[in-house]
Amino acid sequence: GAVVSQHPSWVICKSGTSVKIECRSLDFQATTMFWYRQFPKQSLMLMATSNEGSKATYEQGVEKDKFLINHASLTLSTLTVTSAHPEDSSFYICSAHMGRLRGEQYFGPGTRLTVT
Amino acid sequence: GDSVTQMEGPVTLSEEAFLTINCTYTATGYPSLFWYVQYPGEGLQLLLKATKADDKGSNKGFEATYRKETTSFHLEKGSVQVSDSAVYFCALGGADGLTFGKGTHLIIQP
Repeated sequence: GAVVSQHPSWVICKSGTSVKIECRSLDFQATTMFWYRQFPKQSLMLMATSNEGSKATYEQGVEKDKFLINHASLTLSTLTVTSAHPEDSSFYICSAHMGRLRGEQYFGPGTRLTVT
Repeated sequence: GDSVTQMEGPVTLSEEAFLTINCTYTATGYPSLFWYVQYPGEGLQLLLKATKADDKGSNKGFEATYRKETTSFHLEKGSVQVSDSAVYFCALGGADGLTFGKGTHLIIQP
């Protein structure tokens, strides 16, 4: 149980284009989903928190117009990187919270984004 | 605010050696504590958790005990395998979600 998927697992795009990453909770309904960014050999950096049906809450320093988050249902959240640039290249990981144990999150496998 | 401090690696051990990865935390209230493991190129997997003082989380031979008096949650395993090579993150679950340590890269040599 508690499986989270991400799609795509990796993507290469040209500078200036937009990329959408999907995060799905497969066998449970997630009250809250989180989006993280991870640089090589570093810890996870929380980008934003999204609750189904409401606007995402972005962490300080994260551009909400650049990283668009939509949480349309209890099983799906999407992150769209708009007008991507090479510095946006990173490993993006989503997680989902079932609403039980505080802080317990289930993570997706991650999406490797490379912007050329 | 909440914070987690864990030993930074890489930690290199021989197969069947005893493993300890230290983790200490600062937090307000009564957080839950977690260890997550990340294999190369993958997302994080929950390894074990503890919800209150003196709880012991265990999974796949790994153990960690929630020590409120020392604000610690050290990860231990009696005999490591090559397949345990990964990055291990200690994390604290508080009101604002998860706070991660920087991660410890563990390398097990045959």
